[in-house]
Amino acid sequence: EAGVTQSPTHLIKTRGQQATLRCSPISGHTSVYWYQQALGLGLQFLLWYDEGEERNRGNFPPRFSGRQFPNYSSELNVNALELEDSALYLCASSWGDTQYFGPGTRLTVL
Amino acid sequence: EDQVTQSPEALRLQEGESSSLNCSYTVSGLRGLFWYRQDPGKGPEFLFTLYSAGEEKEKERLKATLTKKESFLHITAPKPEDSATYLCAVQDYGGATNKLIFGTGTLLAVQP
Repeated sequence: EAGVTQSPTHLIKTRGQQATLRCSPISGHTSVYWYQQALGLGLQFLLWYDEGEERNRGNFPPRFSGRQFPNYSSELNVNALELEDSALYLCASSWGDTQYFGPGTRLTVL
Repeated sequence: EDQVTQSPEALRLQEGESSSLNCSYTVSGLRGLFWYRQDPGKGPEFLFTLYSAGEEKEKERLKATLTKKESFLHITAPKPEDSATYLCAVQDYGGATNKLIFGTGTLLAVQP
């Protein structure tokens, strides 16, 4: 069974630009979660989507947004990039309580 | 406020030297406690889910236990390939959220 997939693997942007990250959940999973893991910090919850709706968001500014498509895949958009947005962005999917993570997208903001 | 604290921050073991990692937590109502393994630059790999005090789960050289205030990840006769960061996370019943609250992890190095 295929796991959670994310693209791209790496993304390099400059300050002020926009970044789009993509995630495909495990087949049958309807919930998708986004987390940020900055260097030296723990995983921080960003967003939760279920059945196409945003269900909850963490303590991040509105320039972090996303959506979930009818096939349950998801997109995370980060507008007006700042240097401190450089991090590993992890997507996870679940059907029950357990969340399964993808390999992540490494975003570097120069 | 929900909080997860892991100790030690780093642990160095010799191959075959058993030890335990600790995860203490504060939540209003525990829905589940999760252990993950993370290799450098990769996503966390799911290990265990524990739901109630007294519960134990095992997988190869790893055994996770849960009390009302903490969880332990016991590593028996570790091998170099067990070297990784081990993350603990909790999920709270309170609020309309499924989010996981993570500790900062224990970096385990197993030397041959």
